[in-house]
Amino acid sequence: ILNVEQSPQSLHVQEGDSTNFTCSFPSSNFYALHWYRWETAKSPEALFVMTLNGDEKKKGRISATLNTKEGYSYLYIKGSQPEDSATYLCAPWAGSYQLTFGKGTKLSVIP
Amino acid sequence: NAGVTQTPKFQVLKTGQSMTLQCAQDMNHEYMSWYRQDPGMGLRLIHYSVGAGITDQGEVPNGYNVSRSTTEDFPLRLLSAAPSQTSVYFCASSGSGTSTDTQYFGPGTRLTVL
Repeated sequence: ILNVEQSPQSLHVQEGDSTNFTCSFPSSNFYALHWYRWETAKSPEALFVMTLNGDEKKKGRISATLNTKEGYSYLYIKGSQPEDSATYLCAPWAGSYQLTFGKGTKLSVIP
Repeated sequence: NAGVTQTPKFQVLKTGQSMTLQCAQDMNHEYMSWYRQDPGMGLRLIHYSVGAGITDQGEVPNGYNVSRSTTEDFPLRLLSAAPSQTSVYFCASSGSGTSTDTQYFGPGTRLTVL
């Protein structure tokens, strides 16, 4: 079981603001990091899988970076929209076919 | 293509009762897993399977039983329900469960144990 920390726990931003949040994980024995988006009353949906140090992924206004040497990943949302309101989960792969999920960052975008 | 399906969506049990949460996928995925989601906690892995006939324990396996007789189905059994098992349960599947495989989640089952 890995120690995964996500910060902040929650945040409120105005529509149009850009925002970012952090996922911290053990840097030793790193394999891969997953980001999921989880809307209320729905199930988690995959955003990115990242494996290489310095990796950067982008999907529309959402992007993520990865630093495996220091054990963190940032998720950025540019020009937040109300439909971006969700909980964002990160999950490093713990080996033995297991993902360890963080508690998530809950984003609320105020119109 | 239904993806990952779970039944029931809601269930209320009394302490000591047993029940089975059903999970099925139609993507021919080898890897299937069960998680529970509790307030203030991340998704925690209960059990997983890397193929028919193979199951293993996750982080919180006590009080739960699983079997995998087919590729498609991965039921989760509560042997004697306890209030501590009140939670939302998610089933997920992926191609082979390796480090870069995306997991696809079902809609969840909300279980209350009185």
